[in-house]
Amino acid sequence: EADIYQTPRYLVIGTGKKITLECSQTMGHDKMYWYQQDPGMELHLIHYSYGVNSTEKGDLSSESTVSRIRTEHFPLTLESARPSHTSQYLCASSSPLRTGSTGELFFGEGSRLTVL
Amino acid sequence: AQSVTQLGSHVSVSEGALVLLRCNYSSSVPPYLFWYVQYPNQGLQLLLKYTSAATLVKGINGFEAEFKKSETSFHLTKPSAHMSDAAEYFCAVSDKWRDDMRFGAGTRLTVKP
Repeated sequence: EADIYQTPRYLVIGTGKKITLECSQTMGHDKMYWYQQDPGMELHLIHYSYGVNSTEKGDLSSESTVSRIRTEHFPLTLESARPSHTSQYLCASSSPLRTGSTGELFFGEGSRLTVL
Repeated sequence: AQSVTQLGSHVSVSEGALVLLRCNYSSSVPPYLFWYVQYPNQGLQLLLKYTSAATLVKGINGFEAEFKKSETSFHLTKPSAHMSDAAEYFCAVSDKWRDDMRFGAGTRLTVKP
């Protein structure tokens, strides 16, 4: 019943390749996030967006970039992948508190990236 | 700034035993508190949330948590563990004024047959 979708679920690529991880949500949420998570480890916020044309860097510095051209779409791009980028990337969205929500995050199933 | 501390990065219980996962929070304003579960190779799923209504919150899969302001705690419990409960559990805090959720480091629950 997830309304937030990530593709690809798994990706294995070589060093130097450009990759884009896709994230789409159908809930009309303004705020969207990207987290990086190594296996069995904590979540690190790397990017977030308040809405269209808004992008902000998170707590953990990342060489990736994001864009928000449409409300429902928040892709993450790595221009030149390296082995250090190997990780799981989780996309999430939430409805702003001003709408009366409690700020609950809804997560996609994740994209597991392996860079050889 | 808000923060959560999850005591114990790894908890192991026998099937049928009580599950207790500990979470303490720090917040200068009344908090919203959440527990999420993550199964292998999946995203996070909301188990339950506290948003200033009843202090004992019931969630999915038989889990519940109690908000204790005096102890700044929001521990997650389940009376009887099932093998399917094996997963990573994350506690998180936000509040009604700051649109900024903070996650704990997570606790891995292992259930032994």
